This record gives sequence, structure tokens and C-alpha cells, in this order.
Amino acid sequence: EVQLLESGGALVQPGGSLRLSCRASGFTFSKFLMSWVRQAPGRGLEWLSGIAPGGESASYADYVKGRFTNSRDNSKNTLYLQMNNLRVEDTAVYYCVLDLSGFRFDPWGQGTLVTVSS
Amino acid sequence: DIQMTQSPSSLSASVGDRVTITCRASHSIGDRLNWYQQKPGKSPRLLLYSASTLQGGVPSRFSGSGSGTDFTLSISSLQPEDFATYFCQQSVDFPGNFGPGTRVD
Repeated sequence: EVQLLESGGALVQPGGSLRLSCRASGFTFSKFLMSWVRQAPGRGLEWLSGIAPGGESASYADYVKGRFTNSRDNSKNTLYLQMNNLRVEDTAVYYCVLDLSGFRFDPWGQGTLVTVSS
Repeated sequence: DIQMTQSPSSLSASVGDRVTITCRASHSIGDRLNWYQQKPGKSPRLLLYSASTLQGGVPSRFSGSGSGTDFTLSISSLQPEDFATYFCQQSVDFPGNFGPGTRVD
């Protein structure tokens, strides 16, 4: 069974940093594109970043470009999202997702909550 | 960016009802349209892709249609486990925007 398990969500002050992790199992992690998607109350679902199977390239949505870094360690079957200079509007549940074919996401992890507040 | 809208934003239905949800894209996206279901407190789940193809394990009471800019998701006979929020998503262009969702209660 394919499983994605996020961790690392926390309460952080504006301007702070946080690193999320996503441990994958049940499939050959190194062969698949992976993405991060978030869901904020009242703002629906937003794709944040995708990373190539080998980790050689990543793309980002404009609203996180320059602040968030998507990376992966295929030897550990783990995806990471380094988030810097966090803003109140980054408050959301963050999901790790397997990208089956260019913005087709299945399955989703259970999500991890990031709250940015002073 | 391609913008996605959905209607209605919410609807009330009963078990056994036929339910139809509409999704519209601001530009033509061909058939590059996905539908997701999200139950309260749970993660989204992919139901259909390429506008009308059922993801594995999804009951056949779910169906999708449309191309270009106008799409529909239909549930032929609503079941208790189908009360949820449904999102459409375009997958033709960066950054794969989602619709705002339709809550079925």
C-alpha cells in the first residue's frame, strides 16, 4: 500500500523557519515526481512545489518561490520542504502528494499543520 | 494562470439523489481535468482524471464529462459516504490550479 507520512508541522513566529518531512513507502520513491500542496482555511488547495524523481530540478509557485525549498533523499524515501521567512498567510495544512502524471495527485499524505503566528 | 470556478459552492442532497457539480476553466484545458473528494478531517482523494476516467477503486456511480472549459462531476445515486467536498483541478498548465470546492451535505 502506498503511504505518505508528513511530519514537522508546528507553531512558528512570522519570519521563522520550519522544515517538513514526508516519509514514503509502498512504491519506488526514486521513480516518481513528488509535490507539496497546502490547504488554508478559506483559501482552498494550492500547489506549492514539485520535484523531479532524481531531485535534479524543482519548480515552485510564485507565492513561495525564493522562500521554500523542495528536496528529497531517495536513499531514505523522504521528501522535504524547507520553509523560510514564514508569513501569517502561510498558515495551512501541508500535504505531500505523489504526482502520477503532471499535476495528478494520488495519494495524499495525512497532512501536517503549520501555524504562523506571534 | 488558468482560473477554475465551481458551482454551486454547496448543495443539499439526500441519499439516492443524483448530484451534478459544474467546473469551469478560464481558458480551454482540453480534457486535463481532475476531480478530488475530501471528507471532513481527511486528505483529498483523486476520483477522476482526464475529465472522465475513474481512478482505481472509485465506485462507478461517479462519472465525469466535458472538455475545453466546461466540466461536470455526477454522482448517480448519492450514498452516505459521498457527503464531502469536491474539488476540480486543471492539469494542463503550471501551477495546476484547483477550484474552490463544492460541499455536498
